[in-house]
Amino acid sequence: GAVVSQHPSWVICKSGTSVKIECRSLDFQATTMFWYRQFPKQSLMLMATSNEGSKATYEQGVEKDKFLINHASLTLSTLTVTSAHPEDSSFYICSAIGTEEAQSQPQHFGDGTRLSIL
Amino acid sequence: GQNIDQPTEMTATEGAIVQINCTYQTSGFNGLFWYQQHAGEAPTFLSYNVLDGLEEKGRFSSFLSRSKGYSYLLLKELQMKDSASYLCAVSDSNYQLIWGAGTKLIIKP
Repeated sequence: GAVVSQHPSWVICKSGTSVKIECRSLDFQATTMFWYRQFPKQSLMLMATSNEGSKATYEQGVEKDKFLINHASLTLSTLTVTSAHPEDSSFYICSAIGTEEAQSQPQHFGDGTRLSIL
Repeated sequence: GQNIDQPTEMTATEGAIVQINCTYQTSGFNGLFWYQQHAGEAPTFLSYNVLDGLEEKGRFSSFLSRSKGYSYLLLKELQMKDSASYLCAVSDSNYQLIWGAGTKLIIKP
């Protein structure tokens, strides 16, 4: 149980393109989803926390107009990197927690999306 | 400020035992998680401790001392596939996860 699917797994695109990444909880309802970014040989950096039906909470230094997050249902959250540039190239990972005993639940991670901007 | 400390890298031999330490200073405490992350992949959940003591799960065990702000992950009978980064994360008073930088574990034959 507790499977999180993230799509696409790999994106290569030109500078200026907008890229949408989907994160789905397949066998549970996710009240909260998290979006992380990870640069090579570094730890996870939380970008934003997304609760179903409300606006995402962004971490300091993360531009909310550049990284658009939508959490329209209990099973789907999307991250759109708008007008992506080479410095946005990174490994983006989503995670989710369910509706029960959320505080003690581990975050279940998607497989990540490797984004390369040329 | 909030801080999680763990060693950057450790090396161990196949078949041996290794202990990865994690110390933390956070605003509140609602549990500590250990995750495994292989290179180029997303983290996978290993263990959760919220009370003091040892939690055992097969070859992996995790220990917590809240008074000392300290945890360790113990890996027994090491296998080559255990080569990975091990991330320590603490849930703070707002149930937000504070992540350590990870410990890269290298297993040698």
